[in-house]
Amino acid sequence: GNSVTQMEGPVTLSEEAFLTINCTYTATGYPSLFWYVQYPGEGLQLLLKATKADDKGSNKGFEATYRKETTSFHLEKGSVQVSDSAVYFCALFGAQKLVFGQGTRLTINP
Amino acid sequence: SQTIHQWPATLVQPVGSPLSLECTVEGTSNPNLYWYRQAAGRGLQLLFYSVGIGQISSEVPQNLSASRPQDRQFILSSKKLLLSDSGFYLCAWSDGTGGNQPQHFGDGTRLSIL
Repeated sequence: GNSVTQMEGPVTLSEEAFLTINCTYTATGYPSLFWYVQYPGEGLQLLLKATKADDKGSNKGFEATYRKETTSFHLEKGSVQVSDSAVYFCALFGAQKLVFGQGTRLTINP
Repeated sequence: SQTIHQWPATLVQPVGSPLSLECTVEGTSNPNLYWYRQAAGRGLQLLFYSVGIGQISSEVPQNLSASRPQDRQFILSSKKLLLSDSGFYLCAWSDGTGGNQPQHFGDGTRLSIL
């Protein structure tokens, strides 16, 4: 079945550091890929998405590229801020269902 | 624009009591609807999804049930809650016309079972 594996957290960085959160997937066919973000006490918000190989999703300084050859969708940001502290979920859509990774808790220290 | 409402935001219930969580979507028609549970420090587990009125697919056998009495209303229920039902419950919707559509989440209900 479809599955998503995320980099284990928690991840703690200093402000302005470079961020990478790894995400790899297993799926049949060509699923759409998403990153969601959950701020403390809130629901999930869509951060970015990519629907086909080599697509790059981007939003709020975050980027992720759909890599079919490595079945990956790693999340990156060049310079993180304290306000980026949240839990990040990688997900794929297949068979009418969204399958989530376990989430990676990110804490940014000033 | 489309909005999704979930209530209540928090709920404390004794073991063995019934449960009803409600979710409604506005500004769209025939959405796909979803219920997820997020246990503390863990990822999201899909509980139920619905592609139309009266159509419910269950992902995990448990003492919870879901119903969709109207196009934009999705209800999560239980007749007798267990301690293991504690968690953060999230409702979501997506455009039912295509698989590439992202899901949009409500603010969640934090359920504590005592």
